[in-house]
Amino acid sequence: DSGVTQTPKHLITATGQRVTLRCSPRSGDLSVYWYQQSLDQGLQFLIHYYNGEERAKGNILERFSAQQFPDLHSELNLSSLELGDSALYFCASSVYSGAIRSTDTQYFGPGTRLTVL
Amino acid sequence: QKEVEQDPGPLSVPEGAIVSLNCTYSNSAFQYFMWYRQYSRKGPELLMYTYSSGNKEDGRFTAQVDKSSKYISLFIRDSQPSDSATYLCAMSDTNAGKSTFGDGTTLTVKP
Repeated sequence: DSGVTQTPKHLITATGQRVTLRCSPRSGDLSVYWYQQSLDQGLQFLIHYYNGEERAKGNILERFSAQQFPDLHSELNLSSLELGDSALYFCASSVYSGAIRSTDTQYFGPGTRLTVL
Repeated sequence: QKEVEQDPGPLSVPEGAIVSLNCTYSNSAFQYFMWYRQYSRKGPELLMYTYSSGNKEDGRFTAQVDKSSKYISLFIRDSQPSDSATYLCAMSDTNAGKSTFGDGTTLTVKP
């Protein structure tokens, strides 16, 4: 158990809908990352938040947005869903602080499996 | 060309074999190098991480980093069927605030 929790485990919805995925980082970690993993594909980095602020952005679609709250949990919002958005969505956390030699070693949650019908 | 290249395999070995998994990269700013293991669509699990060049050993696992060649390796000794999984390399430039992952190598260890 990595200490990172994600809810829900599974989500089935229809095209055009909006969903929210939730992540709670390990105790003490200030950084949260979101990844998308489609079938038989690698991890695609979406976004990184550090202590409530956006720190780095990957190939995140405009239909997707994220935020990190004062209690450090994070939510990933996916809207106007398309069939191609069906994937595993992972959240990870780390102690990364942006300081020199601050490690980016990440611990992953179990993921949310999203199915868009 | 991707920043991190990893042979997808699949790689199949008999139980007890020594396994070598490799990644190459192009970004000379990478300083942290990680290996993750992912079982059948579960969350990736951190196996090893190293800072800069050198070797690191943890039980049956050894990670090597050669920054001059931009090449990293993970060796698994006395491989077990429970090692069957997808292995992902990852590396980061801490200034960027993100890690770049390889696409993973699928390993099967046959009893």
